[in-house]
Amino acid sequence: DAKTTQPPSMDCAEGRAANLPCNHSTISGNEYVYWYRQIHSQGPQYIIHGLKNNETNEMASLIITEDRKSSTLILPHATLRDTAVYYCIFTSGGGADGLTFGKGTHLIIQP
Amino acid sequence: GAGVSQSPRYKVAKRGQDVALRCDPISGHVSLFWYQQALGQGPEFLTYFQNEAQLDKSGLPSDRFFAERPEGSVSTLKIQRTQKEDSAVYLCASSLEGQPNEKLFFGSGTQLSVL
Repeated sequence: DAKTTQPPSMDCAEGRAANLPCNHSTISGNEYVYWYRQIHSQGPQYIIHGLKNNETNEMASLIITEDRKSSTLILPHATLRDTAVYYCIFTSGGGADGLTFGKGTHLIIQP
Repeated sequence: GAGVSQSPRYKVAKRGQDVALRCDPISGHVSLFWYQQALGQGPEFLTYFQNEAQLDKSGLPSDRFFAERPEGSVSTLKIQRTQKEDSAVYLCASSLEGQPNEKLFFGSGTQLSVL
């Protein structure tokens, strides 16, 4: 199974940037890094994904190290609604081979 | 509909009862997935359909679990003779074509409690 390592929990002040780290040292060349988040009582929500270049969309930025063994998800201006469990996943098949979620990072945004 | 819809939202069953959980994927989505999420854990893959074909059922925990998608749209996850350890949230997800690097859209899940 594809394995990632994330801190179990993190705090961030509202309005500040939230930087969530993920280690994926066993990632192979054709595997993408995906980030999903799960707000309480909802299903996971796709945030962003990337292969080796940094990516940005309307929700977040993804910074992948040059050796691709780790990445950081950045929420540039965190709000209380960003409180959720954030999952870092890597897979070569996208959805088709079934994502392997770990326990994720519980991000708590403090007012 | 706008998103993936699952019903019922909550289900309470007595041990030994059979249950059926329904998933309505986003219209036109080819791929459909079922996941099981225990309390405090991440979702775990159960099974995957492409249209009506069940291509992977390696995650189903026992032969009491059965999933179908007969017309390639709505799917049902059936659990026979429920046990306490089946208590979990069951999540359904769909994607447009099932191609690599497609994002999955998840429903809000069905919370099953077996007493």
